Amino acid sequence: DIQMTQSPASLSASLGETVTIECLASEDIYSNLAWYQQKPGKSPQLLIYYANSLNDGVPSRFSGSGSGTQYSLKINSLQSEDVSIYFCQQNYDSPRTFGGGTKLELK
Amino acid sequence: EVQLVESGGGLVQPGRSLKLSCAASGFTYSNYVMAWVRQAPTKGLEWVASISTGGGNTYYRDSVKGRFTISRDNAKNTLYLQIDSLRSEDTATYYCAKDMGEAFAYWGQGTLVTVSS
Repeated sequence: DIQMTQSPASLSASLGETVTIECLASEDIYSNLAWYQQKPGKSPQLLIYYANSLNDGVPSRFSGSGSGTQYSLKINSLQSEDVSIYFCQQNYDSPRTFGGGTKLELK
Repeated sequence: EVQLVESGGGLVQPGRSLKLSCAASGFTYSNYVMAWVRQAPTKGLEWVASISTGGGNTYYRDSVKGRFTISRDNAKNTLYLQIDSLRSEDTATYYCAKDMGEAFAYWGQGTLVTVSS
């Protein structure tokens, strides 16, 4: 199975700040990488697919980048509603695996 | 608007069976691959199974093969997950998801399965 390692596991940032979450795959996943946001008590929602394609309705302050085994999610100008857990996921090979999550809190 | 509504979860004893359902609306259900993804309490996400548009092809993670059966009824716009020989490690919230291949584009609200004696 392809292992997905996210860092950091938790993150505290101030409103308006820019934050970056990293995701490392155990092998090349050829940009088949998605990012999800899970707000407390809610189901995950797709933010980004194919590493850098923004899903419909997702604010433009979210962006994704990366290739090969290294990927990142960037949130510009952090808003209060961005407090969530963020997961990366590879869709290159079965089983499709997720990272362990990054919990984003407000400072 | 895409809606996925799961049901069928609950408290069940180890070794028993349970059948989860997911009612889909707001899109042409029969055109899409569907999936189940689970999340153990305070844990991460784990893909469980997927099924092709017509239901003829099914895919499972190794740890559930032989115990879980994914199926669909395209006339009823409903996805199912039959879970047999339940184990404590199956305790999780089970989400159905619209599988776009490149991502799970929409998720239901989830149904909680608790396996305990």
